Amino acid sequence: KNEVEQSPQNLTAQEGEFITINCSYSVGISALHWLQQHPGGGIVSLFMLSSGKKKHGRLIATINIQEKHSSLHITASHPRDSAVYICAVRDRNTGNQFYFGTGTSLTVIP
Amino acid sequence: ETGVTQTPRHLVMGMTNKKSLKCEQHLGHNAMYWYKQSAKKPLELMFVYNFKEQTENNSVPSRFSPECPNSSHLFLHLHTLQPEDSALYLCASSQDLTELRGGYTFGSGTRLTVV
Repeated sequence: KNEVEQSPQNLTAQEGEFITINCSYSVGISALHWLQQHPGGGIVSLFMLSSGKKKHGRLIATINIQEKHSSLHITASHPRDSAVYICAVRDRNTGNQFYFGTGTSLTVIP
Repeated sequence: ETGVTQTPRHLVMGMTNKKSLKCEQHLGHNAMYWYKQSAKKPLELMFVYNFKEQTENNSVPSRFSPECPNSSHLFLHLHTLQPEDSALYLCASSQDLTELRGGYTFGSGTRLTVV
């Protein structure tokens, strides 16, 4: 079983829809990352969270440490949001060990 | 352009070849990382360097040999690879290992195919 589970695996949305991607993890963490990977392969770091909520433009990330759960929300989705979104956690007990989810593939249709 | 540059973008090599992947950053970061991303699998951390010193080798086979001559450059030397080593190899950097400042910056990756 992977230490990080994401849902859904695949998501198709109409332009303008509100989107939620979920991430659950099983280890104690020092930080959680949301990453965006475009078809070309390059990865962009969207958020790094250790508590609460962060907002950047149309993107909102929340984390509940007690429940070991994080969500990434996209408001007013746009075709350019189409990408794979990856959740990653840094294990606080093993220093540099990172665990990654397998990603959620999002397609936003015009 | 993220500030982390990887070359080449694509590489096809035979199992007996020797090749190198290059990663360069001029963000002033002190920690650099190699990741492997295979199809349908999570990203796997391969190596971590902090101030040019290797701090982590995640049980990577010896046919992958990293080199970090300075904090701005990171290489991955490849030798007698197997077809299952075909993957996207991503380089990343961060200010330091604690990530308290700025998080991670990734390169665009090298798509490696071993034939």
